[in-house]
Amino acid sequence: DTAVSQTPKYLVTQMGNDKSIKCEQNLGHDTMYWYKQDSKKFLKIMFSYNNKELIINETVPNRFSPKSPDKAHLNLHINSLELGDSAVYFCASSQASGRAGNEQFFGPGTRLTVL
Amino acid sequence: QQQVKQSPQSLIVQKGGISIINCAYENTAFDYFPWYQQFPGKGPALLIAIRPDVSEKKEGRFTISFNKSAKQFSLHIMDSQPGDSATYFCAASMAADKLIFGTGTRLQVFP
Repeated sequence: DTAVSQTPKYLVTQMGNDKSIKCEQNLGHDTMYWYKQDSKKFLKIMFSYNNKELIINETVPNRFSPKSPDKAHLNLHINSLELGDSAVYFCASSQASGRAGNEQFFGPGTRLTVL
Repeated sequence: QQQVKQSPQSLIVQKGGISIINCAYENTAFDYFPWYQQFPGKGPALLIAIRPDVSEKKEGRFTISFNKSAKQFSLHIMDSQPGDSATYFCAASMAADKLIFGTGTRLQVFP
């Protein structure tokens, strides 16, 4: 059984388009995250949600909007895509927020290519 | 202060050898230091983690050494195997759960 799943796995689109990436976890975790991994493999957190509530919002352009319909899902919507948005986006989940040491489980990633 | 510096960027090791990856941090409020392993096309997966009240943690062939005064920690992979070839990330976090990742080390183990 897949613990953290993301769709789609690959996304190729034109500059200026709007796209969404979906994430679902079946681990019963309370907290979900979005990370961006750039072409140099650098991983950086973008957002974190705990029980559908936004708790971390890094300095991310407001073209990126996360949405959590329930605690098992965290989707990422991106408006007006730019070339620099090309990256691999990872969803992750963990048991609870506010306590260091909770293992974060990562999804397989969505490779976004903006042409 | 939020950075975690990782070295080397890449590492080539013979099968059976020891792989050592080092990380350093500035923020003394960090209290959780995990290592993640990432294979091509996959998401990172937790390998081993340590808290600052312990100087060493061993799980199988993988050992974390932690030096609180120097603000450094390292991953040692004993008896390295070709299957260990992957990118390794150190990370650090405080109670807020935000993981700050190092820049990654690409390890290649040759038979």
